[in-house]
Amino acid sequence: DGGITQSPKYLFRKEGQNVTLSCEQNLNHDAMYWYRQDPGQGLRLIYYSQIVNDFQKGDIAEGYSVSREKKESFPLTVTSAQKNPTAFYLCASSIRHLQETQYFGPGTRLLVL
Amino acid sequence: AQSVAQPEDQVNVAEGNPLTVKCTYSVSGNPYLFWYVQYPNRGLQFLLKYITGDNLVKGSYGFEAEFNKSQTSFHLKKPSALVSDSALYFCAVSPIKAAGNKLTFGGGTRVLVKP
Repeated sequence: DGGITQSPKYLFRKEGQNVTLSCEQNLNHDAMYWYRQDPGQGLRLIYYSQIVNDFQKGDIAEGYSVSREKKESFPLTVTSAQKNPTAFYLCASSIRHLQETQYFGPGTRLLVL
Repeated sequence: AQSVAQPEDQVNVAEGNPLTVKCTYSVSGNPYLFWYVQYPNRGLQFLLKYITGDNLVKGSYGFEAEFNKSQTSFHLKKPSALVSDSALYFCAVSPIKAAGNKLTFGGGTRVLVKP
């Protein structure tokens, strides 16, 4: 059963706390992406990775960090520096070299306590 | 910089009537264009894409979209809407020569199909 999984479905963050969102894919895709979705603003790119051990900042990377130690996994850490983290976070993956379709996971909703 | 505009925040249509969701884009060079649909608290599902060739693209669930280069538009259409088509629709663009397959999304259009 191929696809992209994200966990947890809901995540609560306290002030000053770092939290990590998980994204795993078994599609054998090289490229992976993190987006943030706020109401009325569509999706904005946080970070993307075209290959293991390499990643680039997207349009709104401040306050976030990522790692890509395995092809299958691209975790996103929301740091305490991100002052407005409440949003819906979506992970996606695609074949690297072509402008191929990005396939999305089910998302993680992050809420601040 | 590339951009996508979805001029309607919401589209209301009666079940069985035609559905159109508008999208215009701005990009350097030739574009790749995509439509996605999102149901509440879910990820985005791919509907269709335009890369090259025929300007009329057919996709999933009976949707189609027409690429119009002169008007820089990529409107999504469905001849006969269903109540189950009620969802949030996103148009996205990527320049053909962009590094990293970076997509730029529109703000989304909510479709409400009434029985």
